[in-house]
Amino acid sequence: GENVEQHPSTLSVQEGDSAVIKCTYSDSASNYFPWYKQELGKRPQLIIDIRSNVGEKKDQRIAVTLNKTAKHFSLHITETQPEDSAVYFCAASIVGGSQGNLIFGKGTKLSVKP
Amino acid sequence: EPEVTQTPSHQVTQMGQEVILRCVPISNHLYFYWYRQILGQKVEFLVSFYNNEISEKSEIFDDQFSVERPDGSNFTLKIRSTKLEDSAMYFCASSEQPSSGNTIYFGEGSWLTVV
Repeated sequence: GENVEQHPSTLSVQEGDSAVIKCTYSDSASNYFPWYKQELGKRPQLIIDIRSNVGEKKDQRIAVTLNKTAKHFSLHITETQPEDSAVYFCAASIVGGSQGNLIFGKGTKLSVKP
Repeated sequence: EPEVTQTPSHQVTQMGQEVILRCVPISNHLYFYWYRQILGQKVEFLVSFYNNEISEKSEIFDDQFSVERPDGSNFTLKIRSTKLEDSAMYFCASSEQPSSGNTIYFGEGSWLTVV
């Protein structure tokens, strides 16, 4: 089955700096890669996603890149703000048919220092 | 904006007791999921459900777990005989048909404490 590795497990940056979180996946059939942000005690919330037919996607300060050949994808947050502090999870899934469940990475705790 | 809703938000139960966690998925969604998150760890897939049957389940989802859609709106997770290691946050989630992109929306979670 699919296995998703995520690094780093913790990341501390100064406000205004960029943050990069990286994930690798094992199943070449995976074709959907979302990123979720989870604040303490809250639900995971989708912040951006990318499908395998796209190499990069950007939404304001957040961008995701995908390298299908290497089977890795990354989350980039620019101009970080204290409210970006949270745990970020990457995930992978196979879209289509009856499948679609997400396999998550272990999460990255991002701390943005004012 | 439509949301996945879950009840209860927190339940404490004695080891060996049965618990039922309830979820109301987003109304036009057809795929339903349960995930589990042990404190401080990653979110783990338990089961997916479509067309009134389980479509996929993980190795965590053993015989003590079951899911049901008893009516047109609720989706439940039953744990027959709880163990201490079942203590976790249980998230219900739903999505439209996978062919539409498979964005999965999570509920607020039900925190289960087994004592």
